[in-house]
Amino acid sequence: SAVISQKPSRDICQRGTSLTIQCQVDSQVTMMFWYRQQPGQSLTLIATANQGSEATYESGFVIDKFPISRPNLTFSTLTVSNMSPEDSSIYLCSVDRTGIVYNEQFFGPGTRLTVL
Amino acid sequence: AQSVSQHNHHVILSEAASLELGCNYSYGGTVNLFWYVQYPGQHLQLLLKYFSGDPLVKGIKGFEAEFIKSKFSFNLRKPSVQWSDTAEYFCAGHTGYKLTFGKGTLLTVNP
Repeated sequence: SAVISQKPSRDICQRGTSLTIQCQVDSQVTMMFWYRQQPGQSLTLIATANQGSEATYESGFVIDKFPISRPNLTFSTLTVSNMSPEDSSIYLCSVDRTGIVYNEQFFGPGTRLTVL
Repeated sequence: AQSVSQHNHHVILSEAASLELGCNYSYGGTVNLFWYVQYPGQHLQLLLKYFSGDPLVKGIKGFEAEFIKSKFSFNLRKPSVQWSDTAEYFCAGHTGYKLTFGKGTLLTVNP
């Protein structure tokens, strides 16, 4: 398994501001993922972040709104830009440590974001 | 496109009752299937997984799931639930591209 930490664990932000969420893993991993879990909804993949390349965004998510950095193999950040109340959600990072096609993922504790 | 559906939004059981949570997936190719659990205030964690081989897989805490290819199903079962099983359960499928989650089933076990 992998130990994943996220900062902050929760935050309350004002409309129009931006928040950067950090994800730290206890060992080097190739693939890191960012998910959103809106109230009462399932987890939705925002983007895949691989070290040394641009993040790959899913349909409905764009880099201007959710810029991602992946400076090394143990760390990534997700920024939620120009926030609105619709961005209130739990944001989770996950990693795939298997290195093979089976793609078993381990999840961080999440960042609970409330936008007023 | 791949999708995963869970039939039950909220299931309420008494301790010692048997549990079966439904999960169906839609994908024509090879798919790896997972059940994740999120206990109150805790991380999402892997309960069990199916990649290939024996379609009956056993996970942690006495849970098991059966992959039935003809029914596109991967239902989660436990013969006797405990109060500590109260949690939200997510079925997920991976086609080699990304992990797709169902909407989750909240299980409440009353003592």
